[in-house]
Amino acid sequence: SQQGEEDPQALSIQEGENATMNCSYKTSINNLQWYRQNSGRGLVHLILIRSNEREKHSGRLRVTLDTSKKSSSLLITASRAADTASYFCATARGGNTPLVFGKGTRLSVIA
Amino acid sequence: EAGVAQSPRYKIIEKRQSVAFWCNPISGHATLYWYQQILGQGPKLLIQFQNNGVVDDSQLPKDRFSAERLKGVDSTLKIQPAKLEDSAVYLCASSFTGILNTEAFFGQGTRLTVV
Repeated sequence: SQQGEEDPQALSIQEGENATMNCSYKTSINNLQWYRQNSGRGLVHLILIRSNEREKHSGRLRVTLDTSKKSSSLLITASRAADTASYFCATARGGNTPLVFGKGTRLSVIA
Repeated sequence: EAGVAQSPRYKIIEKRQSVAFWCNPISGHATLYWYQQILGQGPKLLIQFQNNGVVDDSQLPKDRFSAERLKGVDSTLKIQPAKLEDSAVYLCASSFTGILNTEAFFGQGTRLTVV
């Protein structure tokens, strides 16, 4: 079963704008990860945030985690056409448990 | 560093036929995952290996799907017999260890079409 639920399902923005995607999950987690998938390709890891962290940055990416609300957000600043892809959150409950992915947000950045 | 290798990239078969996919994880990665991704959806875990042992196969349709990881390195996923609803991309991923839930590295996937 899929634990994460991304919102919105699809997002279309102009180049240079910021893109925000949200992820909600159901059970307690050890960490939450965000992945990107270009059309017809495998998934690429973007960023990992642990349950005791509230915010993390990596280049133009900013991730927040609110464990009390069981939600996370991914912000991509100054978007580029190359950011066009599907973005997935994945939760890890700790121990030797598998990564569980959400349904994803399809981001289109228009040049 | 070489990435996760999968083959074949594409496969078209008729329903009721059998098919096998191969995965070579990143060297030294103890954890190996097989995911099924249906068009427009997120990856769904089929099976997780830790070395050559199965950690989680609760969502693997065992009446038709099987997987093995001999010697804790390469892995094969087999479907026999295939159904139309098995049309999907099959993704293999590996990570250094599942205990700390570190990032997973994905292969390019095998796109299966069952006609």
